[in-house]
Amino acid sequence: NAGVTQTPKFQVLKTGQSMTLQCAQDMNHEYMSWYRQDPGMGLRLIHYSVGAGITDQGEVPNGYNVSRSTTEDFPLRLLSAAPSQTSVYFCASAPRGGVEQFFGPGTRLTVL
Amino acid sequence: AQSVSQHNHHVILSEAASLELGCNYSYGGTVNLFWYVQYPGQHLQLLLKYFSGDPLVKGIKGFEAEFIKSKFSFNLRKPSVQWSDTAEYFCAVTTSGGYQKVTFGTGTKLQVIP
Repeated sequence: NAGVTQTPKFQVLKTGQSMTLQCAQDMNHEYMSWYRQDPGMGLRLIHYSVGAGITDQGEVPNGYNVSRSTTEDFPLRLLSAAPSQTSVYFCASAPRGGVEQFFGPGTRLTVL
Repeated sequence: AQSVSQHNHHVILSEAASLELGCNYSYGGTVNLFWYVQYPGQHLQLLLKYFSGDPLVKGIKGFEAEFIKSKFSFNLRKPSVQWSDTAEYFCAVTTSGGYQKVTFGTGTKLQVIP
């Protein structure tokens, strides 16, 4: 199993550009989440999903959209990138009823 | 809502020194507690977890943590650190039921000097 995969690993955007961060898992996990990691702030939950077709907001959802059309994929869309979105983004998954989350390798995003 | 506090932001130790990283949480109900480690340039990996039972939990690489319910604490310990333990350590908590929203602490950067 590849586990949780994320693409791209690095990305540089200009203010106002849009892009999609990809996340996929091959463990048939129902729960998937997106976090951003900023220095001194730990990881903060952006959006999460408890199954295909079901998404909800986390702690810091503004400026981001998600959708979950399949169990495997959970893309994160930046609608109009801002410098405040410069961060490292982690995707995670967990089985239904499971507590431990499995993290992807992360995407380092810089917005100029 | 639950919250997690890690009071040590940056810890510097010499090899073979003992380690204790503090973690306190605030939540009145049943919690699940975790320590994650992030080595430089890598993603988060689970170090150990507590769900129930023995409050002293042993994890990988010689780490252990003790859950003290009366103090709302889950401190991480290691008797003798190595240079390879240099990493950032995150305490995290989830509450029971439904989707497990994970709340992370702000992290502690550990630097071990050879």
